[in-house]
Amino acid sequence: EAGVAQSPRYKIIEKRQSVAFWCNPISGHATLYWYQQILGQGPKLLIQFQNNGVVDDSQLPKDRFSAERLKGVDSTLKIQPAKLEDSAVYLCASSLEGTGFSYEQYFGPGTRLTVT
Amino acid sequence: QKEVEQNSGPLSVPEGAIASLNCTYSDRGSQSFFWYRQYSGKSPELIMSIYSNGDKEDGRFTAQLNKASQYVSLLIRDSQPSDSATYLCAVIVDFGNEKLTFGTGTRLTIIP
Repeated sequence: EAGVAQSPRYKIIEKRQSVAFWCNPISGHATLYWYQQILGQGPKLLIQFQNNGVVDDSQLPKDRFSAERLKGVDSTLKIQPAKLEDSAVYLCASSLEGTGFSYEQYFGPGTRLTVT
Repeated sequence: QKEVEQNSGPLSVPEGAIASLNCTYSDRGSQSFFWYRQYSGKSPELIMSIYSNGDKEDGRFTAQLNKASQYVSLLIRDSQPSDSATYLCAVIVDFGNEKLTFGTGTRLTIIP
């Protein structure tokens, strides 16, 4: 079974530029998550989709971050304009939709963003 | 108070010994608990999930959950150098939206 796919793996941009990340979840996983992981910290949830609807975006900085999940499969996360503090690894995860204990989340390889 | 707390370490354990990692959480209503392993430069990898009080064993790994005391632990038996990584404790606090709240992780080093 293929895992969560993400691209690009690395990105370096200057502050005030824009950047977009792409995620393809595990086949059949209805729930998709975007996390931000700053060095030395645990991942922090930015946004959660169930199918193509947003479940939780309470920690998404909506003035600069946006995300969409068209057709309930792939998702993109965009930052515009980027700030220095956005330098982090952006992780995508997916999980099965809730039957029993289907809360196990599986992570993709992540995108390491450096803002200079 | 942080929702999920872990000792940041580093924790050093001799090869072949038992490594014990601990995690406490603040929300008494939390229902689901997970341990992820994260190698340097890699993404988190799910190694254990536990939902009920008591022990759950999977190979060399044992997760222990005590909801009354609000802690969850991970034991690694016969520690190997390949177990050297950061271990992240994660909790689903809100049973309705499956949001994972992570601790900051404990860095474990197995000394050959």
